[in-house]
Amino acid sequence: DAGVIQSPRHEVTEMGQEVTLRCKPISGHDYLFWYRQTMMRGLELLIYFNNNVPIDDSGMPEDRFSAKMPNASFSTLKIQPSEPRDSAVYFCASTALAGDTDTQYFGPGTRLTVL
Amino acid sequence: KNEVEQSPQNLTAQEGEFITINCSYSVGISALHWLQQHPGGGIVSLFMLSSGKKKHGRLIATINIQEKHSSLHITASHPRDSAVYICAGSGGGADGLTFGKGTHLIIQP
Repeated sequence: DAGVIQSPRHEVTEMGQEVTLRCKPISGHDYLFWYRQTMMRGLELLIYFNNNVPIDDSGMPEDRFSAKMPNASFSTLKIQPSEPRDSAVYFCASTALAGDTDTQYFGPGTRLTVL
Repeated sequence: KNEVEQSPQNLTAQEGEFITINCSYSVGISALHWLQQHPGGGIVSLFMLSSGKKKHGRLIATINIQEKHSSLHITASHPRDSAVYICAGSGGGADGLTFGKGTHLIIQP
């Protein structure tokens, strides 16, 4: 398996623009997570899905952020409008609940810079 | 709110030394994850523990549920072990993770 795939790997945009980050989880995994990493706050959970349904979106910072999972193999995280404070590395991870081995597999991340 | 505290924040050691990184966590967390992040930024899951002890190669992870404390040990440390090690807690099942601030480990040859 190719692992969790994220695109783009790097995104540079100007303040006010719409940004869409994409994630393809590992085939067969029914949980998908979006995390954000910044120097100031470290890693934090934004939202996660189970069987394409959002379960916990309490980490989504504000209405400018939205996430969707239209099918089991694709999810998007959208920021509209983007702001400089959104600059961060955004990770997608997936897992399948199986006994005590719910290891999360992380994608390579998307490094977002908002100018 | 779930919380995870990790120590030390930075650790520099000589090759061959035994390394210990500690993590304490709050009520509500029932599973503890150890992750490794290399300078390139990629994150790899090392262990997930809800009880006892796990070993993989030179890495050992333990958890004490009563004390809400976990440790990650590295035996015979090597420069390639240099990375940021992050502990994270989840409420059980495939729950979202709450992360510690990470331990930046440098192993000098």
